Parts: sequence; structure tokens; C-alpha cells
Amino acid sequence: QSVLTQPPSVSGAPGQRVTFSCTGNSSNIGAGFDVHWYLQLPATAPKLLIYANNNRPSGVPDRFSGSRSGTSASLAITGLQAEDEADYYCQSYDSSLSGWVFGGGTKLTVL
Amino acid sequence: QVQLVQSGAEVKKPGAAVKVSCKASGYNFTSYHMVWVRQAPGLGLEWMGIINPSAGTTNYAQKFQGRVIMTRDTSTNTVYMELSSLRSQDTAVYYCARPTATNNWFDPWGQGTLVTVSS
Repeated sequence: QSVLTQPPSVSGAPGQRVTFSCTGNSSNIGAGFDVHWYLQLPATAPKLLIYANNNRPSGVPDRFSGSRSGTSASLAITGLQAEDEADYYCQSYDSSLSGWVFGGGTKLTVL
Repeated sequence: QVQLVQSGAEVKKPGAAVKVSCKASGYNFTSYHMVWVRQAPGLGLEWMGIINPSAGTTNYAQKFQGRVIMTRDTSTNTVYMELSSLRSQDTAVYYCARPTATNNWFDPWGQGTLVTVSS
């Protein structure tokens, strides 16, 4: 299983706000390493969505936001839209593994 | 713009090896590391290792040590990932991705290469 823990699925109606959790431990998120989020549409490569906990790359709408606290991080989407339906992955660095780790991903369903 | 273009899909038999390429363009190839990440069907992302294209040095995830070799060709701005002793559990899409200069997040990603291991 993945080092970072994410719920398998989240759902919401259009216009609603949804959140995704990402839980790590004292070797990764809890050690102060940044958390990054990726969006993956079916049959496509992951795309950077949030970097360094709460920063949006150019072109990502401000409906997407991130935060980190303690050994966890979260991603929020407001004003949910049908095109937001995708898989969302968190990523950080793990000092005990000396490498990068991902969450197992959360599938967002827009009802 | 920065672009990573990977080689095409492969079908291999158990025990064989596969070599996937990733050609970079739009930036100074030797100024950024490159990582490889794989995704088995229906599963999550798994970091395999990182290569420094300037020095050729590598760091592999413990799970793949002894089975993976990452190399680069600075004359063609291409990195390679070779995985040996393939088994069915290695069936996955393999991605190359460019970390930031401080090796934090990965952006952009290659389009992915499907490797199927089947007898």
C-alpha cells in the first residue's frame, strides 16, 4: 500500500465544495516536507495541480487550494464542475525511504 | 515549451528486460534531474528512481534496486529506464517526469509508456 494515505473516493454535486485528505507520518509530511497534488484524467499523464502545499501553477483556477498541517495535507475544490471528475494524488518526500512517495489516489465523482 | 516525449508501448515476456526512452526538449537538459514513476493498471503512482543527466548519477527506490538502470545520452537529450527480470506485476504505464531545480514537485510529465509483461 501507499506511504501516504488518501480516501479511495470522494463525491459532490456541481457547485459544491469537496476536500481530499492526505495523511503521512513523521518521516514525510510530519518532517516538514512539502506536499504536492496532481490531477489525472483517464488515460492521461498526471498534471501538477498544487505545489509546495498551497501554490497553484499558472493556469490552475483559484477554485483549487491546498493546505498542510502536522502529518496531513488537504486539497479543496470549490464550485465543483463536471470536468473536475478525475483522480487526485498527493506527493511528498520521505526521509526514511530517501525518495518520493505518493498517496494511493482519490477518485472524484461529480454527481 | 518544456516537453517530454516517451517511446512507444512494449510487450515483453517474463524474465526479459525493457528499455524505455524519454526525450526532453525546451530546456537545458543537464540542468534538471529526471525521475521515473510507474502506475500499474487501476493502481496509484510509484516512484522508481532519479537520474542526474549532468553527472549520470542515479538514486533508485529500494524496491527496484538491482533490477533498474537509468542512463542518459546528453547528445540527444534523452534519458532511459531499463527494467530487467520482468514479471507480470511489472505491467504498468511508465512515466518520466522533470523535478524542479530543487527536486520537489514533478512538472511536466511524459505521456507514458505502457509495458505489458505476458507469456
